[in-house]
Amino acid sequence: EVQLLESGGDLVQPGGSLRVSCAASGIIFSGYAMSWVRQAPGKGLEWVSRIGGSGTPTYYADSVKGRFTISRDNSKNTLYLQMNSLRVEDTAVYYCAKDLGDGWYPLDYWGQGTLVTVSS
Amino acid sequence: DIVMTQSPESLAVSLGERATINCKSSQSVLYSSNNKNYLAWYQQKPGQPPKLLIYWASTRESGVPDRFGGSGSGTDFTLTISSLQAEDVAVYYCQQYYDPSYSFGQGTKLEIK
Repeated sequence: EVQLLESGGDLVQPGGSLRVSCAASGIIFSGYAMSWVRQAPGKGLEWVSRIGGSGTPTYYADSVKGRFTISRDNSKNTLYLQMNSLRVEDTAVYYCAKDLGDGWYPLDYWGQGTLVTVSS
Repeated sequence: DIVMTQSPESLAVSLGERATINCKSSQSVLYSSNNKNYLAWYQQKPGQPPKLLIYWASTRESGVPDRFGGSGSGTDFTLTISSLQAEDVAVYYCQQYYDPSYSFGQGTKLEIK
């Protein structure tokens, strides 16, 4: 059974940093691209970033480019999102999601999400 | 970047009736080399993560009831629920995965009339 478990969400002040993680099980982790998708309270889904199965390539939404860094440790079956220079508008539930393959595919498994709150 | 626009924003349909949700992309998501549309549909119920329903515009994900159907090509797509059930109340999103920077529509809230 595929499981994705996010962790690391917290309350952080504007301008601060935070790293969220996603532990995967039930899959050959390196065989799949992975994505982060966020959802602000009461709002729709916003794709944030993607990373290939080997760790490259990486892609970012314009709203986070230069501030967020996606990475993965295939030996630990774990996906990361390092978030720097956080803004109030980054407040959201952050979901990790598995691509159907390693390339251009839809997102077939999602975690339950971790809440990041940016507020003073 | 590809912008995805859904219509309507909300929809109320009677139980057993057909529900239709539209999605339009700002550029074609049809990849000519394999003739596939890089378009997916998701269902999100309150307090839950999204669930993949349809991909390649018309392929149902395993376990998805056959009352859910996807159609369209190029820039215009439709999700149809042929006979609405109570458990189908949710927000539905389309998503393109043609461009390396994926993008979602704004969502359509489906309710029972």
